[in-house]
Amino acid sequence: ETGVTQSPTHLIKTRGQQVTLRCSSQSGHNTVSWYQQALGQGPQFIFQYYREEENGRGNFPPRFSGLQFPNYSSELNVNALELDDSALYLCASSAQTSGSIYEQYFGPGTRLTVT
Amino acid sequence: AQKITQTQPGMFVQEKEAVTLDCTYDTSDPSYGLFWYKQPSSGEMIFLIYQGSYDQQNATEGRYSLNFQKARKSANLVISASQLGDSAMYFCAMREGRRGGATNKLIFGTGTLLAVQP
Repeated sequence: ETGVTQSPTHLIKTRGQQVTLRCSSQSGHNTVSWYQQALGQGPQFIFQYYREEENGRGNFPPRFSGLQFPNYSSELNVNALELDDSALYLCASSAQTSGSIYEQYFGPGTRLTVT
Repeated sequence: AQKITQTQPGMFVQEKEAVTLDCTYDTSDPSYGLFWYKQPSSGEMIFLIYQGSYDQQNATEGRYSLNFQKARKSANLVISASQLGDSAMYFCAMREGRRGGATNKLIFGTGTLLAVQP
């Protein structure tokens, strides 16, 4: 196990609702990235947080937003859910020191179903 | 545009045999890193091996080795002595920029489903 935890494991929401997914990073890691993995696809980068600020974003609309807390845990918020938001959401943590980024370690994911 | 291509949707291999999973990439950045991840049915992405674009030797990690051919832009994963527990989805991924880059964004391929047969 990587030490990265995510909650909840599974979630069912209705179109138009809002959802919050949570991630606790591995001890000593200060960078968190979020990915969306649709069925049968590879993960797609949503955004990255470093020291509580977003410092990289993929091609996702503003209704996907996030937070990183002082303990480096993170939340992913999705507003106005659409059916296409149904996917496995993966959180990955890594260490970033003196400008160097090391390998990222993934959590088990949250499977979101939008009906 | 940066892109990862995995052309094998599925592969079969006999237990104890070696198998090669193909990966080609496209990038205009001279500095990049290539990764392989294993994803069992549980969903967690497990890091297997890393190859930097300036690394002179092919990366190896236990039974995993990466056949890096820079001129052909390929980074194939070789698994030796396959085990039943190797059955999973395998993803090739790329990160542009040096290890000291600003973001940790990974570009993933579509994956190869490996089935190890007894």
